[in-house]
Amino acid sequence: SAVISQKPSRDICQRGTSLTIQCQVDSQVTMMFWYRQQPGQSLTLIATANQGSEATYESGFVIDKFPISRPNLTFSTLTVSNMSPEDSSIYLCSVGRSTDTQYFGPGTRLTVL
Amino acid sequence: GDSVTQMEGPVTLSEEAFLTINCTYTATGYPSLFWYVQYPGEGLQLLLKATKADDKGSNKGFEATYRKETTSFHLEKGSVQVSDSAVYFCALSGTGTASKLTFGTGTRLQVTL
Repeated sequence: SAVISQKPSRDICQRGTSLTIQCQVDSQVTMMFWYRQQPGQSLTLIATANQGSEATYESGFVIDKFPISRPNLTFSTLTVSNMSPEDSSIYLCSVGRSTDTQYFGPGTRLTVL
Repeated sequence: GDSVTQMEGPVTLSEEAFLTINCTYTATGYPSLFWYVQYPGEGLQLLLKATKADDKGSNKGFEATYRKETTSFHLEKGSVQVSDSAVYFCALSGTGTASKLTFGTGTRLQVTL
């Protein structure tokens, strides 16, 4: 498995602002993903973070709202832009190597007022 | 597309009771199947997995068998403990390397003394 850290662990933000969440892995990984878990709900994939190229977004998620960077094989960021209370969720990154198993970070708990 | 259906929660059991959480799936090809656990206030942890038909995944006293004929991956534990109280997610990964996970809605387990 991999050791995955996320920053911040939680934040409270004002409507209309943006927050950047960082995901750091202790070793190089092939795949990195970003998920959203709305209150009391399951996880929904936002996008696949591709190293050196644009992220691949799932239906219903767009780059302008959730820009993603992945400058190398151990680090990625997700920005939640122009936030509204509906963006209040837990945001999780996950990583995978050559197998199909994904490991998750501890999550970032976001509250938008 | 791929989908995962889990039994509704919450499930409330007394300590040392037998646990079954049902999970069925719909997918093309031969997906890998997973159970993840989310303890209160934490991220997701991989509990167990199975990658082909008739495989049995096991960990910490939990077991699940990949049943292709019934497209099921039910989670079982012979004797639950209070510390097992958490939300359990069934998930599948489509054919390929570290492809995206599709999650069920999650089942909350509450174990009481």
